[in-house]
Amino acid sequence: DQQVKQNSPSLSVQEGRISILNCDYTNSMFDYFLWYKKYPAEGPTFLISISSIKDKNEDGRFTVFLNKSAKHLSLHIVPSQPGDSAVYFCAASARFGADRGSTLGRLYFGRGTQLTVWP
Amino acid sequence: GAVVSQHPSWVICKSGTSVKIECRSLDFQATTMFWYRQFPKQSLMLMATSNEGSKATYEQGVEKDKFLINHASLTLSTLTVTSAHPEDSSFYICSVAAGTGGTPLHFGNGTRLTVT
Repeated sequence: DQQVKQNSPSLSVQEGRISILNCDYTNSMFDYFLWYKKYPAEGPTFLISISSIKDKNEDGRFTVFLNKSAKHLSLHIVPSQPGDSAVYFCAASARFGADRGSTLGRLYFGRGTQLTVWP
Repeated sequence: GAVVSQHPSWVICKSGTSVKIECRSLDFQATTMFWYRQFPKQSLMLMATSNEGSKATYEQGVEKDKFLINHASLTLSTLTVTSAHPEDSSFYICSVAAGTGGTPLHFGNGTRLTVT
């Protein structure tokens, strides 16, 4: 049962334009959301996160938007650069909710979206 | 610099042998470490939570006798794949939680295991 879904396996964007990566979740107990970036043969690298008490968090070129009513979040990268080309994973956690799953700090990951930024 | 060191980065072994993967927290003491597995084009799936000084917590469907986890110190957790089979070939990644019950923000570089 995939509780975090990234329905687009790939996205191709021209350098300088905006990249928008989308993520949907089903568990209303999730209260913390993260985006990770992953290069081949490497572990994921934390990019940005957002708590459910916010609807936007910005860090440089990266902005994450959260729409709790729609159970949807998105990652915006502006402007996109060729070095941004990687797989982006959306992840969710129920840190403070009553239902924390089997493990504190457990993350549920989407399947990832391969972003390609071309010159 | 790296916060989590995972070793080896890749390993090829014969079916029936055992393989040990190490995960070290370099910058801080980690009471909790997580072990994930990723199959090609799939999401990272949590296998187990490694707790320092106590037994690991395994996710449903993960055989604890096959995937042995030892977290003997605050900086080291090991995953041993026992009697490996070709279907165990995967990318194994460890992660370190930021504090007790914290969200894992730091991942190792992963270990590519190929069982022939």
